[in-house]
Amino acid sequence: AQSVTQPDIHITVSEGASLELRCNYSYGATPYLFWYVQSPGQGLQLLLKYFSGDTLVQGIKGFEAEFKRSQSSFNLRKPSVHWSDAAEYFCAVGAPLGSGTYKYIFGTGTRLKVLA
Amino acid sequence: NAGVTQTPKFRVLKTGQSMTLLCAQDMNHEYMYWYRQDPGMGLRLIHYSVGEGTTAKGEVPDGYNVSRLKKQNFLLGLESAAPSQTSVYFCASRPPGTDTYGYTFGSGTRLTVV
Repeated sequence: AQSVTQPDIHITVSEGASLELRCNYSYGATPYLFWYVQSPGQGLQLLLKYFSGDTLVQGIKGFEAEFKRSQSSFNLRKPSVHWSDAAEYFCAVGAPLGSGTYKYIFGTGTRLKVLA
Repeated sequence: NAGVTQTPKFRVLKTGQSMTLLCAQDMNHEYMYWYRQDPGMGLRLIHYSVGEGTTAKGEVPDGYNVSRLKKQNFLLGLESAAPSQTSVYFCASRPPGTDTYGYTFGSGTRLTVV
C-alpha cells in the first residue's frame, strides 16, 4: 500500500541551527514527492517538489530536499533555521487517480519549534 | 488576490444539521479537491473534480456530497452532520499538466459538530 511516514512528530531546534526533517515513502512506481509547510491557521504552501532528474531539489525559503531511491526517503533540509520557520511540515507523494490528475498521500506532519 | 478562497472560515453545527462549504478559485484551474485534516492523520482526500460538471470520490467520501456546476466553484455538502465530521477542511486546485504538479490550497474551514 502507498504510504508516507514522517517519524518525528515534533522537532525543536535553535535559531541558526541546521534542520533535517525525515520522510520515508512506500510507493511502487517512480514517485512524485512534495514538501508543504503549514503555518498556524493557514493553508498548505508548496516548498518544493521532485518529479525526476537531479535528486537534490531546491525550494523556497532556503529549503532543499534530497531524493534517495535506495532508502525510499525524501528528507527536507535547511542550513540555518529562522524563527519564522516554526510551522508544521508535511511530506506527500502523488498517486495517480486517472483522468490526468492525482491525489496526495500525506504524512502525518512534523511540527517544528524554533528556540530564540 | 488570485488564489483559493474558502467560506466560511469557522462553523459550529449541531448533529443532524446540514451545511455547504464553498471553495472558489480565480486561476482558471481545471482540477479541484476537498481534503480533511485531522490530528495525527495528515490530510485525506474526500472528493475531487477534474472539470466543470464532473466529480469523483476520494478516500473518505462517506457523509459528503459535492458539486462543480461552475469551473471556479467546488461545493462540499454535509447533509446530516455527525461529530466524526469535526475537522479542518481544505480545498485545493491545480491546472492540468505534469509540469505543474503543485496544488494551491485555501486557508481552510474549521468545522465543529456538537
